[in-house]
Amino acid sequence: EDQVTQSPEALRLQEGESSSLNCSYTVSGLRGLFWYRQDPGKGPEFLFTLYSAGEEKEKERLKATLTKKESFLHITAPKPEDSATYLCAVQAGGSQGNLIFGKGTKLSVKP
Amino acid sequence: NAGVTQTPKFQVLKTGQSMTLQCAQDMNHNSMYWYRQDPGMGLRLIYYSASEGTTDKGEVPNGYNVSRLNKREFSLRLESAAPSQTSVYFCASKSMTTRDEQFFGPGTRLTVL
Repeated sequence: EDQVTQSPEALRLQEGESSSLNCSYTVSGLRGLFWYRQDPGKGPEFLFTLYSAGEEKEKERLKATLTKKESFLHITAPKPEDSATYLCAVQAGGSQGNLIFGKGTKLSVKP
Repeated sequence: NAGVTQTPKFQVLKTGQSMTLQCAQDMNHNSMYWYRQDPGMGLRLIYYSASEGTTDKGEVPNGYNVSRLNKREFSLRLESAAPSQTSVYFCASKSMTTRDEQFFGPGTRLTVL
């Protein structure tokens, strides 16, 4: 069964304290792994797509990496505005673009 | 471009009432999706439409129906609402390329009493 597990469920950081969020997955034939950011009361906002093991993508203070079993979202020197819930999703081979989501990691960055 | 729009933003229903959630996208995307998001459960796919004229069940389709009205619009109908359908509903769309990301609307917060 295709499955996505994110850890930790919640993470509290001080401003400037770097850390990583984990997304482990089991999927039959990974076609893509997606990271989204979700602010309270809003829809998920796309951040990155990773397609193959070893791939990395960066955007401002965020860097996403992918292995054959998991993905990491590294946050370098976070700011309070980085506070949000970060969602990971996978698209399995043979699917019609359908995504399987993890439950998310709620990140709080204190000044 | 407005992207993906959803109406209404909030709705309160009584058990047994019916309603339709509306979704429209102006990005000329072929595929559209309906998800529900519940605390501690993550986003779960209800129905999707891979292209105009087709619809398919997702992970949690029971109690819902959908209509792909045209390429832009994809509606979700609750025929007889139940308290278990209290949730936040998101519509999403993506282009034909199977690896492209999905773009989400702002959501509809539905409460069934």
